[in-house]
Amino acid sequence: NAGVTQTPKFRVLKTGQSMTLLCAQDMNHEYMYWYRQDPGMGLRLIHYSVGEGTTAKGEVPDGYNVSRLKKQNFLLGLESAAPSQTSVYFCASCPRRASWYTGELFFGEGSRLTVL
Amino acid sequence: GESVGLHLPTLSVQEGDNSIINCAYSNSASDYFIWYKQESGKGPQFIIDIRSNMDKRQGQRVTVLLNKTVKHLSLQIAATQPGDSAVYFCAETPVQNSGGSNYKLTFGKGTLLTVNP
Repeated sequence: NAGVTQTPKFRVLKTGQSMTLLCAQDMNHEYMYWYRQDPGMGLRLIHYSVGEGTTAKGEVPDGYNVSRLKKQNFLLGLESAAPSQTSVYFCASCPRRASWYTGELFFGEGSRLTVL
Repeated sequence: GESVGLHLPTLSVQEGDNSIINCAYSNSASDYFIWYKQESGKGPQFIIDIRSNMDKRQGQRVTVLLNKTVKHLSLQIAATQPGDSAVYFCAETPVQNSGGSNYKLTFGKGTLLTVNP
């Protein structure tokens, strides 16, 4: 199993350009998440999905859109990139469990985005 | 412990010593806590978790302590090794209904652990 795979791993954009980050998981997990990580800021939740066809806003959703058309894929889109979106983006997934007390998230390796 | 700002709290220890990484959380409704380890250039990896009805839980070389009175969480690493060098995050979530649809973790800002040989 590959686990959680993010593409691309690196990307440089100019202000105003658009792009999509792809997250794919092969563990049949129901829940998927997009986080961004900035120096000294920890991980902040952008958007998440609790199942195919559903998405919800997280802590910092502005400037991003997401789609979950297939259970295994969760796409993060930037319609008009801004320098403030320079960050490392992490995708994560976890299965739906009977109890939330085993709530381990499985993370991808990250996608480093620079907006000039 | 965790703090606001651009600079991570850091902890430097000698190989073989025990390490204690602290985390203060703010949400009294948090019911479940997890520690993650993030090595340079990689995604976070689960280390250990604890429920709010417990005050201590042990794993392999790691122990998590929870003090709900002061909303404090700590991760103890025994006999720290160079491979333990990483950023450590605590994460919390409030109690959820079984199969609930709003399962989200809130992460702290991390602590950088450096192990000197």
